[in-house]
Amino acid sequence: QVQLVESGGGVVQPGRSLRLSCAASGFIFSHHGMNWVRQAPGKGLEWVANIWNDGSKQYYADSVKGRFTISRDDSENTLYLQMNSLRVEDTAMYYCARDVYNGVFDSWGQGTLVTVSS
Amino acid sequence: EIVLTQSPATLSLSPGESATLSCRASQSVSSSLAWYQQKPGQAPRLLIYDASNRATGIPARFSGSGSGTDFTLTISSLEPEDFAVYYCQHRSDWPRPFGQGTKVGIK
Repeated sequence: QVQLVESGGGVVQPGRSLRLSCAASGFIFSHHGMNWVRQAPGKGLEWVANIWNDGSKQYYADSVKGRFTISRDDSENTLYLQMNSLRVEDTAMYYCARDVYNGVFDSWGQGTLVTVSS
Repeated sequence: EIVLTQSPATLSLSPGESATLSCRASQSVSSSLAWYQQKPGQAPRLLIYDASNRATGIPARFSGSGSGTDFTLTISSLEPEDFAVYYCQHRSDWPRPFGQGTKVGIK
């Protein structure tokens, strides 16, 4: 069955960097676009970034544009989120989600928690 | 950017009652709208896509309707496991924000 497992979260100081990973299994990874979605403590869902199945296009929320980079390694079935210049407001649970039908998120990981604090 | 506004913010109902949740888009998204359910401590789950199509394994008591700017998620007879937060999201353009959510709580 489809499985998405995020890792790489932790506590980091403002201005520092962190890279999240999402290991995918149970499906043909290269056939699907992928997304990162985050949720600040006690808040709603915020779409963060998307990458097409072939890696040719990436899209970002305005709140992370220029600071975060989404990428993928199809040989490792892994999705990444490089987060630079982290801010306190980036504190959230970060989920990866599989994309079907160009924008429908049918499978989600359990998330990895990022805390940005001095 | 297309903004999605959900109402009400909170709905207090009893098991067996029906729930009607609304999602309004700031401009037309055609039928490109999905609904997700999230329970505390869990990842979101896809319920409905393209306004009215139930995702795999979703019970028939969940139904979606609407097009353009106004959408509705209806839960026909609430089961105990349906008390959760529900989010809408469009895929009409970039970026693809979620609505702010509607919490369906037990009365």
